[in-house]
Amino acid sequence: GEDVEQSLFLSVREGDSSVINCTYTDSSSTYLYWYKQEPGAGLQLLTYIFSNMDMKQDQRLTVLLNKKDKHLSLRIADTQTGDSAIYFCAETEEGSQGNLIFGKGTKLSVKP
Amino acid sequence: KAGVTQTPRYLIKTRGQQVTLSCSPISGHRSVSWYQQTPGQGLQFLFEYFSETQRNKGNFPGRFSGRQFSNSRSEMNVSTLELGDSALYLCASSVGSYNEQFFGPGTRLTVL
Repeated sequence: GEDVEQSLFLSVREGDSSVINCTYTDSSSTYLYWYKQEPGAGLQLLTYIFSNMDMKQDQRLTVLLNKKDKHLSLRIADTQTGDSAIYFCAETEEGSQGNLIFGKGTKLSVKP
Repeated sequence: KAGVTQTPRYLIKTRGQQVTLSCSPISGHRSVSWYQQTPGQGLQFLFEYFSETQRNKGNFPGRFSGRQFSNSRSEMNVSTLELGDSALYLCASSVGSYNEQFFGPGTRLTVL
């Protein structure tokens, strides 16, 4: 079945760039998403990329997709303490209505 | 535009009882998906409704059911509660089945 893998923890210093990585197994993945979850809260959609794209930039966020290696990354420039949260990678595919397959999440800690 | 709302936010039940959770999607959104989030299993897809029809279902027992009303509001029901049903239940809405999903804050269910 489909699987999405992420490293569990990442620690960076304030002002540095953070790179959160994700790999997926389903070659028919069509849409790939990054969500952020703060303690006690739901999921906030950060950005998404279609599988026919290589890169997407949105302010401090850059998403890179290597479809050959089934590797997705999220780069956060100038990381702030407010970016401390759990980041989830998710994928879905045509024909799988409304079903997001999530990774276990990467906990980002930003040290001042 | 108001976001996805879920009620109640917190719920405590005992084993064997049943529970109903409610989700109001963003205005204009016709697709509602439900997910269960636990520390051990992460985020798992329960089901998706679109225009009052269940379009997709995850791998959960029949004790988990749902429905969607004509105004797109959705409810999920869990019967004969078990300790393992303790989780954060998240609802997400989207314009259509393949569009990005926006999540509510979740309902924290504790089964004693």
